[in-house]
Amino acid sequence: DAGVIQSPRHEVTEMGQEVTLRCKPISGHDYLFWYRQTMMRGLELLIYFNNNVPIDDSGMPEDRFSAKMPNASFSTLKIQPSEPRDSAVYFCVSAQKGGGQTEAFFGQGTRLTVV
Amino acid sequence: GENVEQHPSTLSVQEGDSAVIKCTYSDSASNYFPWYKQELGKGPQLIIDIRSNVGEKKDQRIAVTLNKTAKHFSLHITETQPEDSAVYFCAASIGSSASKIIFGSGTRLSIRP
Repeated sequence: DAGVIQSPRHEVTEMGQEVTLRCKPISGHDYLFWYRQTMMRGLELLIYFNNNVPIDDSGMPEDRFSAKMPNASFSTLKIQPSEPRDSAVYFCVSAQKGGGQTEAFFGQGTRLTVV
Repeated sequence: GENVEQHPSTLSVQEGDSAVIKCTYSDSASNYFPWYKQELGKGPQLIIDIRSNVGEKKDQRIAVTLNKTAKHFSLHITETQPEDSAVYFCAASIGSSASKIIFGSGTRLSIRP
């Protein structure tokens, strides 16, 4: 398996523009998480899905953020409109329950810069 | 709320010495504790994990210990090498379903040659 695939790896956009981050999880995994990493806040959980259904979106900072998982092999995180404070590395994490616990694997991340 | 605290935030050790990173968690239902290593420009990679039914686990130079009573767990790296330099994150599952994982704030480990 190629692991978790995220695109793009880097994104530079102007404030006010719409940004869409994409993720292809590991085949067979039933959990997908979106995390955001910044120097100030570390790794923050934004939202996670189980079997394509959003379970907990309490970490989504504002209504400008939305995430979808239309099928088991694809998810998107959208920011509209984007702001400079959204600049961060966004990670998609694929996971499956094993022995009662959730084993998680990170993608390479998307480095977003909003200018 | 649920949280995981990690110390220290930075750690510098001489090559060949040991490094210890400690974490505490708040959710008594947590039962899975993975550790991740993040190298520059990459996503965190799982390096070792421990479940609540054991107190210690070892994999070559890396070991993790868990004290459920005190709600803390630690990562031990022995005979450190330059390639061990990275940011390390502890994490804990949240809730009895263990579906949600909360991360510590990270420890930047530097190995001095």
